[in-house]
Amino acid sequence: QVQLKESGPGLVKPSQTLFLTCSVSGASIISGSFYWTWVRLHPGKGLEWIGYVQYRGSTYYDPSLKSRAITSVDTFKNQFSLELSSVTAADSAVYYCARGSMVTRFGGSAKGYYYLDVWGKGTTVTVSS
Amino acid sequence: SSQLTQDPAVSVTLGHTVTITCQGGSLGQFYATWYQQKPGQAPVLVIYDKNSRPSGIPDRFSGSTSGNTASLTIAGAQAEDEADYYCQSRDINGNLLVFGTGTQVTVL
Repeated sequence: QVQLKESGPGLVKPSQTLFLTCSVSGASIISGSFYWTWVRLHPGKGLEWIGYVQYRGSTYYDPSLKSRAITSVDTFKNQFSLELSSVTAADSAVYYCARGSMVTRFGGSAKGYYYLDVWGKGTTVTVSS
Repeated sequence: SSQLTQDPAVSVTLGHTVTITCQGGSLGQFYATWYQQKPGQAPVLVIYDKNSRPSGIPDRFSGSTSGNTASLTIAGAQAEDEADYYCQSRDINGNLLVFGTGTQVTVL
């Protein structure tokens, strides 16, 4: 059974860079064509997609982050990471890592989709001086 | 990027049926995925693809789509279904993701 676990500092000062890692257990991070994903939940607000990375290296991010986010995979440690630079109080949230799968279909009325089937329990990050 | 709009809150009487909707332009090209999130817990996948449920999700949960609107129906809502529900889809360009604004479901 695949399990994910986030780890990080808990408290970060404004303007600094937040580093989070997600340890993957129960499967190799290079098995399958998964999209290793970061999502956050702001207090009192909804879920926000941050970005994802494939073990081959392709990455995509939410444009609203204005290039502050970087995700990467460490195949030796079987984990993936998120770096978020120039943090402000608006980056205070619960951060989740998750495993994603993307399906693309072609032709006629065929529709693709994306889903996150395995989630970590989340780690709370507070940005404060 | 695309936006997905949900009603902020709905309530349902125990044992009755409730439908949550999610509207967005990308739903014409991609199916919505639905998640359930309870306070202090990680989201849980409940519906993906046209109307597929992961193992362990009760069959009272079902999904459907019409045009640019996706729906999640809970038939015979139970007390444990009280939670926030989020839809999620791929962006119009296909590579980005977007979450809906979320719906708080209260079971009376």
